Amino acid sequence: AQSVTQLGSHVSVSEGALVLLRCNYSSSVPPYLFWYVQYPNQGLQLLLKYTSAATLVKGINGFEAEFKKSETSFHLTKPSAHMSDAAEYFCAVSLWGSQGNLIFGKGTKLSVKP
Amino acid sequence: NAGVTQTPKFQVLKTGQSMTLQCAQDMNHNSMYWYRQDPGMGLRLIYYSASEGTTDKGEVPNGYNVSRLNKREFSLRLESAAPSQTSVYFCASSAYRAQATNEKLFFGSGTQLSVL
Repeated sequence: AQSVTQLGSHVSVSEGALVLLRCNYSSSVPPYLFWYVQYPNQGLQLLLKYTSAATLVKGINGFEAEFKKSETSFHLTKPSAHMSDAAEYFCAVSLWGSQGNLIFGKGTKLSVKP
Repeated sequence: NAGVTQTPKFQVLKTGQSMTLQCAQDMNHNSMYWYRQDPGMGLRLIYYSASEGTTDKGEVPNGYNVSRLNKREFSLRLESAAPSQTSVYFCASSAYRAQATNEKLFFGSGTQLSVL
């Protein structure tokens, strides 16, 4: 069974518009959750992570994500898209019993139109 | 401040050839990983090394071998390359692993491998 699902393999927004990238996880125990970003021809970089300290997590470059246990979701948002946000975004989960390995979603490619 | 360094960046192999992908980190991390990235599949773990001297299989280990040469270096070997191994390979490291970790992964810039 898939542990993390990203809805939408490709999202396109206009510059200045809201960015919403969706991630749902399947776990009976609250996991650690992460968002990573991959710019073209680069490795992944951590945007933010949820570690149970606070449900609203702020990351780099104006991104934030909210952990909602009732919805098993960890959606990524940014109020106003910038051209430089164009990249692929990966949600990842670290589960108890996985020996610390991250399980990645399939990724969402964000395009930003001028 | 190099972080995680992978070599080579690009490689083309013929079916049946062998090669080794090299990875080194300079952050004194205990744990290292090899992932492959395929379109629409996200990242899938091939092998990992929780600490120096240990290696374990990940989700897709078939056709690969690894060596944790020392704390810094973790290599991935394809003994007999197949077209199905055409992919982008990423090495990563983290300070340590635990039963469930919130450790941040640091990634290399990737190796683009084509097997003809």
